Amino acid sequence: RKEVEQDPGPFNVPEGATVAFNCTYSNSASQSFFWYRQDCRKEPKLLMSVYSSGNEDGRFTAQLNRASQYISLLIRDSKLSDSATYLCVVNNDMRFGAGTRLTVKP
Amino acid sequence: EPEVTQTPSHQVTQMGQEVILRCVPISNHLYFYWYRQILGQKVEFLVSFYNNEISEKSEIFDDQFSVERPDGSNFTLKIRSTKLEDSAMYFCASSEMEQGSGANVLTFGAGSRLTVL
Repeated sequence: RKEVEQDPGPFNVPEGATVAFNCTYSNSASQSFFWYRQDCRKEPKLLMSVYSSGNEDGRFTAQLNRASQYISLLIRDSKLSDSATYLCVVNNDMRFGAGTRLTVKP
Repeated sequence: EPEVTQTPSHQVTQMGQEVILRCVPISNHLYFYWYRQILGQKVEFLVSFYNNEISEKSEIFDDQFSVERPDGSNFTLKIRSTKLEDSAMYFCASSEMEQGSGANVLTFGAGSRLTVL
């Protein structure tokens, strides 16, 4: 089983839609979790850390489910500019999931 | 906002040649990383570096690769005897310990695109 697995996508959604991605992990001792965003041919950039109690940043909500060993990212009111690949990083070894591609269409 | 700087942005080389990719991490960061991304594929971890030595390396990071921090600012990735399959985007990243969580938040450079012909 891979250490980190993500919904493969692609997700094609209309503007204004709500979309959610999951990322499952195999190491139950994992302590740190992040979501990064990568635009085409650009470097990954930190979107948000994921805290145990869940956290929100504007239209973005990140949650952690330790029992089922996954983290999620919810995007509300999708914008065209949200189109990107979303990468999860689990644990301190700083390895990335394969990414989920999101395309928001007018 | 502090940034990680990488040079060159694009390098074209002949198979078998050696290349050196350079990175200037954020000045107060202590942890340095190299990642590779082959076109259309995932971001792959190559190596992490702390306190002037490799702290972890992946199975990709074989004897063909080496890293060095020759002075107080640069962090370099050397690829010896390049192969066609080394063509990729190489990202440097740096981090400091994120306060309160014990985790490292990565800041990436814009990448160096290597094309091996």
